[in-house]
Amino acid sequence: GESVGLHLPTLSVQEGDNSIINCAYSNSASDYFIWYKQESGKGPQFIIDIRSNMDKRQGQRVTVLLNKTVKHLSLQIAATQPGDSAVYFCAENLTSGGYQKVTFGTGTKLQVIP
Amino acid sequence: GAVVSQHPSWVICKSGTSVKIECRSLDFQATTMFWYRQFPKQSLMLMATSNEGSKATYEQGVEKDKFLINHASLTLSTLTVTSAHPEDSSFYICSASPAGSTDTQYFGPGTRLTVL
Repeated sequence: GESVGLHLPTLSVQEGDNSIINCAYSNSASDYFIWYKQESGKGPQFIIDIRSNMDKRQGQRVTVLLNKTVKHLSLQIAATQPGDSAVYFCAENLTSGGYQKVTFGTGTKLQVIP
Repeated sequence: GAVVSQHPSWVICKSGTSVKIECRSLDFQATTMFWYRQFPKQSLMLMATSNEGSKATYEQGVEKDKFLINHASLTLSTLTVTSAHPEDSSFYICSASPAGSTDTQYFGPGTRLTVL
């Protein structure tokens, strides 16, 4: 069953500073990783992705780093803005036999202080 | 492009009734659709994966007779919560993967279900 009474870890960042959100994933066979942003009452929004044959990928103001040795993923947001305030989830994707499964991490709430 | 809609956005129902939630891919054909449930301050939990024209694959612990999934076309999947109880109150989110791009998921805006 689901866990009860969890509180999302929160990262508070001053506007203009860089943010780093970390995530540990569970399955060493996962081959594709995605970061999502979720605002209150809305569905997840794709931010950036990375495949397991890469260790870094950059987008606009965002960078994802993948360390397969320790099964760790991070999302770096440059020059954080108030509009970046949301909950951020990492997700690992495992494809096996034509079937894919995406598992979401626990999430981190980013609060940007104006 | 790649827009997924859900209907309704929110629904309140009485305990014991059934509720149907629709998930539509508006501008692409979705061979696979996923249904997630999210409780407050928690992550998304995959409930089931549905492929067009075949039976859904349910995750462990999800009752297939309670959460009926139908994926009758390449643009529509429905989730019916049967005999809803207050503990079924949650945020239900669907996602859809386009044909030929199975590791890409486009998420819907979610449906807030409250069971009284």
